[in-house]
Amino acid sequence: RKEVEQDPGPFNVPEGATVAFNCTYSNSASQSFFWYRQDCRKEPKLLMSVYSSGNEDGRFTAQLNRASQYISLLIRDSKLSDSATYLCVVFLIKAAGNKLTFGGGTRVLVKP
Amino acid sequence: DGGITQSPKYLFRKEGQNVTLSCEQNLNHDAMYWYRQDPGQGLRLIYYSQIVNDFQKGDIAEGYSVSREKKESFPLTVTSAQKNPTAFYLCASLPRDRSNTEAFFGQGTRLTVV
Repeated sequence: RKEVEQDPGPFNVPEGATVAFNCTYSNSASQSFFWYRQDCRKEPKLLMSVYSSGNEDGRFTAQLNRASQYISLLIRDSKLSDSATYLCVVFLIKAAGNKLTFGGGTRVLVKP
Repeated sequence: DGGITQSPKYLFRKEGQNVTLSCEQNLNHDAMYWYRQDPGQGLRLIYYSQIVNDFQKGDIAEGYSVSREKKESFPLTVTSAQKNPTAFYLCASLPRDRSNTEAFFGQGTRLTVV
């Protein structure tokens, strides 16, 4: 089982609609969680951190479910510019070194 | 301005050659990471380092080597033992003891074997 798993998509979303997708992680000791956005052939950019209580940033809402070991991202009122690959990132503190592991990414295509 | 710089942006390698990808940061970050990304795939961890002169293998370390002689620098060597090196390589850094902190990325190096 991969340490961090995502549905690769693509999620085809009409402009203005809501889309949501999850990311599961295997190590229950994982400390921190993030969503990154990656545009084609570019480096990933931080979208938002994910806090235990859930957090919202404009049209984006992230949730963490530690019991079921997954995080989610919801995008409301989708814009064409939201088309990208969304990467789930899990941070694990280990004695040998802190590990930052990425999921395979979920591709979102917002269409007019 | 503080940041993380990868060079070169594009690199071509002949089969059987070793090549070294540069990653430099002036953010005073302790932790640095190297990832490989293949088309349509996520990022896979090659090596990571928390402090100078120490580094750990990631999930796909075979065929790669690294060094961490200075805090600012974490070069990655793609050796001839790496059978399929053509990929997009990304370097990242973040403070070692802060788990809820953004990782900063370089702009990546596209390596192509010719």
